[in-house]
Amino acid sequence: NAGVTQTPKFQVLKTGQSMTLQCAQDMNHEYMSWYRQDPGMGLRLIHYSVGAGITDQGEVPNGYNVSRSTTEDFPLRLLSAAPSQTSVYFCASSSLPPSSYNEQFFGPGTRLTVL
Amino acid sequence: ILNVEQSPQSLHVQEGDSTNFTCSFPSSNFYALHWYRWETAKSPEALFVMTLNGDEKKKGRISATLNTKEGYSYLYIKGSQPEDSATYLCASSYNNNDMRFGAGTRLTVKP
Repeated sequence: NAGVTQTPKFQVLKTGQSMTLQCAQDMNHEYMSWYRQDPGMGLRLIHYSVGAGITDQGEVPNGYNVSRSTTEDFPLRLLSAAPSQTSVYFCASSSLPPSSYNEQFFGPGTRLTVL
Repeated sequence: ILNVEQSPQSLHVQEGDSTNFTCSFPSSNFYALHWYRWETAKSPEALFVMTLNGDEKKKGRISATLNTKEGYSYLYIKGSQPEDSATYLCASSYNNNDMRFGAGTRLTVKP
């Protein structure tokens, strides 16, 4: 059981470049989410999905796209990277949404720098 | 705006000391309060999930309480050990699938 995996672990982009952060889980969890973590701030929810084919925006969705074609995978796309998107990105999954009485499992994070 | 506040921001204690920190959160449409332990270079790991007013949870030397009426939760560590050094995050979740995290309390336990 690998849990929640994320690739890559580190990435450096130039302003305007695009890339996809990968997230996968093998726990058959319906709920998956993406957070960003910036110094001095809590984790902020970017997008989430309550199941395959269903996604919704979180607190800070601008500049990011997501899709959920399978239960296992939830990629996060940056279409045109900006320096403000320099952050550490965490993917998480849970069997039920966070508004339920259950815990989330987090991936190891992707550290992204946009120059 | 849903702001989750944690205090203190950082804390240094001696091995063997007991300590506690606070999480305050908006109580409107509240569903659950989550505590996570986050060690450097690792992923956050869930400690407790609480939902009812007056809930108390315990795991070894760590315990937590919840007051949903006034919107706060306390995390207690009894007899701190160096391995307890980590950032402790709280997050509150709401009925609309929203989940908001505090900035964390960074605990350092000195041997």
